Amino acid sequence: DAKTTQPNSMESNEEEPVHLPCNHSTISGTDYIHWYRQLPSQGPEYVIHGLTSNVNNRMASLAIAEDRKSSTLILHRATLRDAAVYYCILNSGGSNYKLTFGKGTLLTVNP
Amino acid sequence: EAQVTQNPRYLITVTGKKLTVTCSQNMNHEYMSWYRQDPGLGLRQIYYSMNVEVTDKGDVPEGYKVSRKEKRNFPLILESPSPNQTSLYFCASSLKPGLVYEQYFGPGTRLTVT
Repeated sequence: DAKTTQPNSMESNEEEPVHLPCNHSTISGTDYIHWYRQLPSQGPEYVIHGLTSNVNNRMASLAIAEDRKSSTLILHRATLRDAAVYYCILNSGGSNYKLTFGKGTLLTVNP
Repeated sequence: EAQVTQNPRYLITVTGKKLTVTCSQNMNHEYMSWYRQDPGLGLRQIYYSMNVEVTDKGDVPEGYKVSRKEKRNFPLILESPSPNQTSLYFCASSLKPGLVYEQYFGPGTRLTVT
């Protein structure tokens, strides 16, 4: 599986935008970029995914670089409930469609 | 409410005593899988199922069994648990196996084997 690199931790203030970066320089043409997050004491939760174009949904936006070697998850107005570990995952399917979770970015949101 | 449920949520057991962790989803999903989460190792896939009666090994299947007799249920069986299976376990499901389908995760089962 292609590897992703994320900062270990980031900090934000409540109601401010947050940009969470992810580098994936060895991404292949068939890799989808997925973002999941894990709130304390909960299972992972889907956030967003994309292939080439930028994507928006009710939770966040995903900005994908033109060469696809990096992407950024954007939370437009952080809330305390957004404090979680955010995982950037590349998924090309393979035979089992597993999600390979790295260490992720621990996002702290200050009130 | 659409959800993946797991039972039990917490379990402390002894080495060698067979146990089953149940997983059930109410979304008519075809794809289901089990992961374990350990500090420093992230989440690793144990087994997965593409549909009823279709199961296969993930990355760390040793010491585990699964079955998929009904679409909604995917139990994880530990025939002879050992201390190295102490972990946090998550069941996940998605509508179909595929790159564009989001996976829904259960709340987790924290297992301790002494």
